[in-house]
Amino acid sequence: SAVISQKPSRDICQRGTSLTIQCQVDSQVTMMFWYRQQPGQSLTLIATANQGSEATYESGFVIDKFPISRPNLTFSTLTVSNMSPEDSSIYLCSVHGGTGGKDTEAFFGQGTRLTVV
Amino acid sequence: GENVEQHPSTLSVQEGDSAVIKCTYSDSASNYFPWYKQELGKGPQLIIDIRSNVGEKKDQRIAVTLNKTAKHFSLHITETQPEDSAVYFCATADAGKSTFGDGTTLTVKP
Repeated sequence: SAVISQKPSRDICQRGTSLTIQCQVDSQVTMMFWYRQQPGQSLTLIATANQGSEATYESGFVIDKFPISRPNLTFSTLTVSNMSPEDSSIYLCSVHGGTGGKDTEAFFGQGTRLTVV
Repeated sequence: GENVEQHPSTLSVQEGDSAVIKCTYSDSASNYFPWYKQELGKGPQLIIDIRSNVGEKKDQRIAVTLNKTAKHFSLHITETQPEDSAVYFCATADAGKSTFGDGTTLTVKP
């Protein structure tokens, strides 16, 4: 299993500013995932963060808007840049358990509830 | 890419009744099918999962069935309790990447 600490848990931000969300895992993992969950909706993958390389972004998400850092195997940050009210959402950090290339359950942080005013 | 459809979007049952949530998927390469429960203010948590080489799995009041030919899988909760009220997500996974259904809000009335 994995325990993920994510902060801040919530924030209210002014439009045009940026917010950096931190994610700390209690074990070393190769890949960390960042999701967005809009109110009442499902989870949409923003990007996959690998240590030592550029993050891989999903269609519709770009590095300029959502820069990601992955300085080591237990930590990652996601920045939401130049925010607008449309960025109001819950942002979740996730890792997968298991090794050997076998798909296993995903573990999630508690999420960061972002409101842009 | 993978597409996961989940039904119903909302489900209300009386305490003690059963609840069934169904999902279909499009990518035949998907091999892992987890179900997550998300309570208010928390991240999703795994409640049960099934792999493509298994047709059914049960854990106390929760069961999951998988039909790989038809590409659908279902969550069954028996003897529902008020604490089962939450949002439930089905998902598929392939090579580390997960795709989630749209979620089902389950309300169990006491």
